[in-house]
Amino acid sequence: KAGVTQTPRYLIKTRGQQVTLSCSPISGHRSVSWYQQTPGQGLQFLFEYFSETQRNKGNFPGRFSGRQFSNSRSEMNVSTLELGDSALYLCASSGRQDPRPSTEAFFGQGTRLTVV
Amino acid sequence: AQTVTQSQPEMSVQEAETVTLSCTYDTSESDYYLFWYKQPPSRQMILVIRQEAYKQQNATENRFSVNFQKAAKSFSLKISDSQLGDAAMYFCAYRSAGIDAGNMLTFGGGTRLMVKP
Repeated sequence: KAGVTQTPRYLIKTRGQQVTLSCSPISGHRSVSWYQQTPGQGLQFLFEYFSETQRNKGNFPGRFSGRQFSNSRSEMNVSTLELGDSALYLCASSGRQDPRPSTEAFFGQGTRLTVV
Repeated sequence: AQTVTQSQPEMSVQEAETVTLSCTYDTSESDYYLFWYKQPPSRQMILVIRQEAYKQQNATENRFSVNFQKAAKSFSLKISDSQLGDAAMYFCAYRSAGIDAGNMLTFGGGTRLMVKP
């Protein structure tokens, strides 16, 4: 069974640009969550999607957005990039078929975004 | 809001010895899950062990065990017979058991574990 796949693995963007990151969850998983990891702020929750609906959202500005497709693949978008958006972005998928929380989240290897 | 605190930024242990990583959390909820995740240099977060708050028995997974003290809101990880492959960042995480919380995890700041040969 394939794991969580995030693409691309590395990305370099210029301030002011926008970026889209992709996450393919484990087959059959309907929940996808996104996290930002930085040395200063640690791991912070961005948002979670379940069955194409945003279920929870962290405390991030509106420049951070996401969506989920009918095949459960998810994308997150960051517009008007700032230097502080440089981070490792992690995606996690969870396997319950209903909205109840799952007992485990499986993580991808992340996308390393560098804003210059 | 829930918070998770790991007070040890770095720990080191001799190979084959035992080490304990500390974690405390703050919550007003009675039903929740606690996790320890390992993040090696490959950056992929790997679940080490989980504990359901309603279970009094401490979870154990091979060389990994926890000491869950619900009243004290403490959740430490003990690694026995440490191996070189255990070297990594370790994160303690909290998740509410409520449906509205979904699968949102709140992480501590992490503890870097070094294993000396």
